[in-house]
Amino acid sequence: QLQLQESGPGLVKPSETLSLTCTVSGGSISSSDYYWGWIRQPPGKGLEWIGTIYYSGSTYYDPSLKSRVTISVDTSKNQFSLKLSSVTAADTAVYYCARGCGGCPFYWGQGTLVTVSS
Amino acid sequence: DVQMTQSPSSLSASVGDRVTITCRASQRISNYLNWYQQKAGKAPRLLIYAAARLQSWVPSRFSGSGSGTDFTLTISSLQPEDFATYYCQQSYGAPQTFGQGTRLEIK
Repeated sequence: QLQLQESGPGLVKPSETLSLTCTVSGGSISSSDYYWGWIRQPPGKGLEWIGTIYYSGSTYYDPSLKSRVTISVDTSKNQFSLKLSSVTAADTAVYYCARGCGGCPFYWGQGTLVTVSS
Repeated sequence: DVQMTQSPSSLSASVGDRVTITCRASQRISNYLNWYQQKAGKAPRLLIYAAARLQSWVPSRFSGSGSGTDFTLTISSLQPEDFATYYCQQSYGAPQTFGQGTRLEIK
């Protein structure tokens, strides 16, 4: 059974970098059949897809966040990570990691709340 | 980027009602369309993938249909536990965009 688990600080100061890790169990992050992504949901709002990383290492980031986002994979640890720089209060959200592909079930982590505040 | 337009944004209905939520893509996405249910304070749960394939936990009163640009989620007979927010998501291409959500409330 595939499981994804987000981890990282729950509180980040303005202007600093938000760093989260998603640990994957029950499946290999190196599989060419899937891609891996980060999603966020600000309090009381809808879902936003932040970015995607493919098995080849190529990435796609939402244009509104592109200048601040980096997604990377660590195959030795079966993990992938999100870094979001220069955060503001607008980046306060529940952050989810997910595995997907076209036409297959998506698997999500349970999410982690990150609050940006001094 | 593929834009997903979901309607209605909110809906009031009664237990036993049949309800339909629609999702329209800004370009053709084949059947690469997921539906999620989200309850307050919880992570979204995948209901339907590939437009019409129900996840194992999903009751048969839920159904999905559509291909190309137009998709629907139908609940044939609303139950109390179905009142939640529903999102569509396309998995055709990055970014794997979501609709803005439909809040289903008790009338």
